[in-house]
Amino acid sequence: AQKITQTQPGMFVQEKEAVTLDCTYDTSDPSYGLFWYKQPSSGEMIFLIYQGSYDQQNATEGRYSLNFQKARKSANLVISASQLGDSAMYFCAMRGESGSGNTPLVFGKGTRLSVIA
Amino acid sequence: DAGVTQSPTHLIKTRGQQVTLRCSPKSGHDTVSWYQQALGQGPQFIFQYYEEEERQRGNFPDRFSGHQFPNYSSELNVNALLLGDSALYLCASSPGPASSYNSPLHFGNGTRLTVT
Repeated sequence: AQKITQTQPGMFVQEKEAVTLDCTYDTSDPSYGLFWYKQPSSGEMIFLIYQGSYDQQNATEGRYSLNFQKARKSANLVISASQLGDSAMYFCAMRGESGSGNTPLVFGKGTRLSVIA
Repeated sequence: DAGVTQSPTHLIKTRGQQVTLRCSPKSGHDTVSWYQQALGQGPQFIFQYYEEEERQRGNFPDRFSGHQFPNYSSELNVNALLLGDSALYLCASSPGPASSYNSPLHFGNGTRLTVT
């Protein structure tokens, strides 16, 4: 079974500052992928960034970067230069490759980020 | 390039009724997954369809059923609605049967179901 834990129900950050959203995971799958999604109040889940379990370098995508520490089973999202439009729910998720095929995407409970002007 | 589209956007039903939600996948995608997101929670996997068959299923009762059509679009049906079925229902698509584990799912805007 896979499990995602997001321990920060809510976070505040000043505009233009950087913020880190925490995510820890647990899985027995030999290969897996870690994802971060943004969910504005409209409800749509927007894919932000991906990190593979065998990737040697941390993923980056514009202002988003993923601090991947495999030994600690953590995959924290770093947002640099926060903007007011970054205010939303952020979900960490994973899916793995088991012997019977790919497993469904499993989500954490999310972190609500509020950017303050 | 059309993304994942879902209909309707909002729906109000009475306890005991039945509901059908619809989803069209992103162009080029042939696999559809459905998720239920209760208020304040992360999405929970309901089931996945590929080649018009249910391929994987989460921990949901048989009241939840689905269908996939030859054009890859999909329906989610919920029978005998309970108050606890009130949630945002998200449809997600991907290329191939769950494609690779490193392939992100593309989500629609969801259908917000309220059961009274």
